[in-house]
Amino acid sequence: EAQVTQNPRYLITVTGKKLTVTCSQNMNHEYMSWYRQDPGLGLRQIYYSMNVEVTDKGDVPEGYKVSRKEKRNFPLILESPSPNQTSLYFCASSLRPTSPRSYEQYFGPGTRLTVT
Amino acid sequence: QKEVEQDPGPLSVPEGAIVSLNCTYSNSAFQYFMWYRQYSRKGPELLMYTYSSGNKEDGRFTAQVDKSSKYISLFIRDSQPSDSATYLCAMRGRRAGGTSYGKLTFGQGTILTVHP
Repeated sequence: EAQVTQNPRYLITVTGKKLTVTCSQNMNHEYMSWYRQDPGLGLRQIYYSMNVEVTDKGDVPEGYKVSRKEKRNFPLILESPSPNQTSLYFCASSLRPTSPRSYEQYFGPGTRLTVT
Repeated sequence: QKEVEQDPGPLSVPEGAIVSLNCTYSNSAFQYFMWYRQYSRKGPELLMYTYSSGNKEDGRFTAQVDKSSKYISLFIRDSQPSDSATYLCAMRGRRAGGTSYGKLTFGQGTILTVHP
């Protein structure tokens, strides 16, 4: 089954304690992206990756890091989480932007993060 | 001003009603227009896609794009309780370079409830 998986699904942590949210896709997609979803603000892009070892900032990258060492995996790293990073996070993947069907992004189930 | 504006609702309708969901946008470079549906505790899933202006119909769903007015709509006919979800409009430009390459810009999402 084609899917994007994220782990963990729920996480409660304390300010300053480094954490990683994993994301993996099995569709051989080049493009991967992280979003956060907050009430009234919709989905905002944090970071994206065009392919292995190619990453760039989205709209709200402050406080986050990513890496893309393998095509299927795109972890999101919070080196020193703060309460304003409490949010619902989604990983998404799609074909490369030049592909005719690149408009369709496949989303993971989400990770609800609470930072106290 | 946000690039994409969407009335967050919530919208509550009786089963069988016609539902109209709308988004306005300001970026004339947007060429791809999507509607995603997000059920509670799930990631968004692509529902409809339209390239440039025009209408597209898929079963009970019709997507309309009016680029001259920078306005898109999603109509749901004969709405069902299973249509209860958050509906997100999303848009993307076509240009092949720069940081917006492949990036989707989302509206805030409209929460729809269809009651029996």
